[in-house]
Amino acid sequence: AQKVTQAQTEISVVEKEDVTLDCVYETRDTTYYLFWYKQPPSGELVFLIRRNSFDEQNEISGRYSWNFQKSTSSFNFTITASQVVDSAVYFCALSERSGGSNYKLTFGKGTLLTVNP
Amino acid sequence: ETGVTQTPRHLVMGMTNKKSLKCEQHLGHNAMYWYKQSAKKPLELMFVYNFKEQTENNSVPSRFSPECPNSSHLFLHLHTLQPEDSALYLCASSQEPDPITDTQYFGPGTRLTVL
Repeated sequence: AQKVTQAQTEISVVEKEDVTLDCVYETRDTTYYLFWYKQPPSGELVFLIRRNSFDEQNEISGRYSWNFQKSTSSFNFTITASQVVDSAVYFCALSERSGGSNYKLTFGKGTLLTVNP
Repeated sequence: ETGVTQTPRHLVMGMTNKKSLKCEQHLGHNAMYWYKQSAKKPLELMFVYNFKEQTENNSVPSRFSPECPNSSHLFLHLHTLQPEDSALYLCASSQEPDPITDTQYFGPGTRLTVL
């Protein structure tokens, strides 16, 4: 089973629309971190947010907001008033213990967001 | 220069060639990582280095050989690759190799094509 599931492979919206990217994760750990990264066409993954498993407060940063629901193991990402520059692949990732003292960052398959003018 | 840099950005090589990918981080971090990103697949962790020591090899074939001479530089030596090794190879660094408390910062990647 996938550790991190991003069910939406591709989303296409028109500029100024709001869009929500879904992320569902699976872990047995009580302590873990969740991340969102953005990968524009240039290829570089850009860090957006890190959230630990004990902090379920929603977070807002400009047009970006994140909704962490531990009860449903979801960490969804919403872009308000989308812009063309938001077009990218967005990855959700889970950091958890992989064995012994090692930790591993596991990524979802990503959601390609296209914002059309 | 700031952040994480990777060279070359694009590389085309034959199956019998030997080439190397280079990664350099200017963030003062102690941990560095190699990831492979293939089309339609999630990012796959390949190697982790902490203070120049390899701490994880994620069952990577021996035709990929990493080298970490210091905490700022990471290489991936390639030899006798297969066409299925064509992918985007991403380097990342973090303050510590413990992603529970730290964040990984990525370079722009090297787009590798094996003919």
